[in-house]
Amino acid sequence: GDSVTQMEGPVTLSEEAFLTINCTYTATGYPSLFWYVQYPGEGLQLLLKATKADDKGSNKGFEATYRKETTSFHLEKGSVQVSDSAVYFCALRGAYSGAGSYQLTFGKGTKLSVIP
Amino acid sequence: EADIYQTPRYLVIGTGKKITLECSQTMGHDKMYWYQQDPGMELHLIHYSYGVNSTEKGDLSSESTVSRIRTEHFPLTLESARPSHTSQYLCASSDLGGRADTQYFGPGTRLTVL
Repeated sequence: GDSVTQMEGPVTLSEEAFLTINCTYTATGYPSLFWYVQYPGEGLQLLLKATKADDKGSNKGFEATYRKETTSFHLEKGSVQVSDSAVYFCALRGAYSGAGSYQLTFGKGTKLSVIP
Repeated sequence: EADIYQTPRYLVIGTGKKITLECSQTMGHDKMYWYQQDPGMELHLIHYSYGVNSTEKGDLSSESTVSRIRTEHFPLTLESARPSHTSQYLCASSDLGGRADTQYFGPGTRLTVL
C-alpha cells in the first residue's frame, strides 16, 4: 500500500537558518503530493502541492519539488522565522482505484521550533 | 480561505457520557472526513463520506459513528465515552476529484475523557 516517510523531529533551528524536511514515499502509479502545516492549537492547512513529476510547489517561501526518480518531496525554506514554528506533514494522494481512493496518506509529522 | 467549522473546540467529560462532535462546511463539498490525531501527532482516518447518506469506516477502527444527512454537516458521535477516546479529532472536506483534490481541515476538537 501507499506510505509516506518523513524525517523525525523535533527540529530546532535559529531564525534565518536554512530548513530541509525530508519526505519520501511509496505508491503505485503517479500520486499527487502535499505538504500540510499545523500551527499550535489549530487544524491542518495546505502549504503547497505538486501533482506530477518535476512540478515545484511553493508558498510563503517554502518549496518542494516532486522527484519521481528518488520518490521524494523534500520541503525547503531558505530563511526560517519564529512564526514558522509548527508541525509539518507530508502527504500523498494515490491514483484512483475505486471506493476509498480520495484518502490521503500522511507522514507522521515533523515538529519545527525556530528560536530567535 | 476554507470555511469548515468544528464545535466544541475543547471538551472534558466523564466516562460513560454520550457526546457528539459537530463539523460543518459552507463550501458545498461532497467529500468529508474525520481524523483522529494521537499525542504523537500521527493522523488516522476513522470515517469518511462521499455525499449525503454515504458513510464509510477509515483505516483506524473506531467506536464512534457518523451520519451525513445534509451535505454541509458531518457529526461524529460516541455513545459511551472512555478515557481511551481522549484525543484530538479533526474534520476535513474536499470537492475536486482527480489529481488536485485538496482536503481542507477544521480547527479540531480536543476531547478529554476522565
